[in-house]
Amino acid sequence: EPEVTQTPSHQVTQMGQEVILRCVPISNHLYFYWYRQILGQKVEFLVSFYNNEISEKSEIFDDQFSVERPDGSNFTLKIRSTKLEDSAMYFCASRRTSGGTGELFFGEGSRLTVL
Amino acid sequence: AQSVTQLDSQVPVFEEAPVELRCNYSSSVSVYLFWYVQYPNQGLQLLLKYLSGSTLVKGINGFEAEFNKSQTSFHLRKPSVHISDTAEYFCAVTRAGSYQLTFGKGTKLSVIP
Repeated sequence: EPEVTQTPSHQVTQMGQEVILRCVPISNHLYFYWYRQILGQKVEFLVSFYNNEISEKSEIFDDQFSVERPDGSNFTLKIRSTKLEDSAMYFCASRRTSGGTGELFFGEGSRLTVL
Repeated sequence: AQSVTQLDSQVPVFEEAPVELRCNYSSSVSVYLFWYVQYPNQGLQLLLKYLSGSTLVKGINGFEAEFNKSQTSFHLRKPSVHISDTAEYFCAVTRAGSYQLTFGKGTKLSVIP
């Protein structure tokens, strides 16, 4: 069964360092998302991406964050200069269809720990 | 903006007993509603969704949920739980046509043998 894969599963970094989280969405999917979950808190929407551009983003997704689809398979989230409060589980998701009937498929998450 | 409240952070239940996990939402526009399940060390898996039509929605693993617009609720039910249902369950809402999901805090279901 096709699935969304994320790497790394866990990354530890020093505050101020750049981090790139990688996702391989399901191959025929067209819509891509990043969500995050700070420990003990809700899963929060960060950004959605379609047709090589951001379609929606939340207030969390400030200038420190960027997304990219560098090739036909990967979808990346970059945090330019990490802060302690960026420590969270980051989930990638993808969806195939347009309109309101598509299901979001989530990856297993990448846990980011900022020291 | 939408919001979701899951009143119960933890629900213990004996095996083969019924369970209801509560979810209330607030929104000023038409919504889509979802229940996701997260097993330990895994991603979020869709259990069921309400987009339109019948208010009783059936999902995977024997779960169902009922959309109640007047009470702004979307409670998840299962008539008989199994040990394998032990997981965290998340209710989510979005305005119709969007997939910018707003999640609840989650309910940890523990099934006791």
